[in-house]
Amino acid sequence: DTGVSQNPRHKITKRGQNVTFRCDPISEHNRLYWYRQTLGQGPEFLTYFQNEAQLEKSRLLSDRFSAERPKGSFSTLEIQRTEQGDSAMYLCASSLGVTAFTGELFFGEGSRLTVL
Amino acid sequence: KNEVEQSPQNLTAQEGEFITINCSYSVGISALHWLQQHPGGGIVSLFMLSSGKKKHGRLIATINIQEKHSSLHITASHPRDSAVYICAGLMDSNYQLIWGAGTKLIIKP
Repeated sequence: DTGVSQNPRHKITKRGQNVTFRCDPISEHNRLYWYRQTLGQGPEFLTYFQNEAQLEKSRLLSDRFSAERPKGSFSTLEIQRTEQGDSAMYLCASSLGVTAFTGELFFGEGSRLTVL
Repeated sequence: KNEVEQSPQNLTAQEGEFITINCSYSVGISALHWLQQHPGGGIVSLFMLSSGKKKHGRLIATINIQEKHSSLHITASHPRDSAVYICAGLMDSNYQLIWGAGTKLIIKP
């Protein structure tokens, strides 16, 4: 297993366009997290899946953001009508957890979004 | 309120010094992750703790579940240890992570 994989690594888009990021977690990891990080700041929680169920979504997240994990494996994060403020690094992490037990958290290298 | 508080926010030390970073967390958090991020780099998991102590190389992490406190120690610090260190707590109720603000560590040669 090569770890958590994110694609694309870098996306440059014009304001108003839609973008989609994909995260392939470590196989058999049932928990998957999406975070956003801007320069000099810590990661900001976006959403979280346990298997295919989206259990939490940040209240800070506008309706332009949507995430799916259709088969409990890979996940996609779509941003519609991008704004310059959406420019950030989008991070995906996965872990194996059973109720309160949690395994180690593994992060992907991130997808950097630049909105012009 | 679910919280993870980390200290210090910034730490500068000389090469070779023993480093301690502290993390306090609130009720409702059952496990703690320690993570490292180098400038411009990705986030790497160092430890996941729910009790006791773990050691990996020069890094040691401890957790006291009664006091709801965890520490990350670095022995014989080296300039390559310079990074942001983050603790993140796993909530019992929904398994979401609550992040500390991070500690920016600079080790001078």
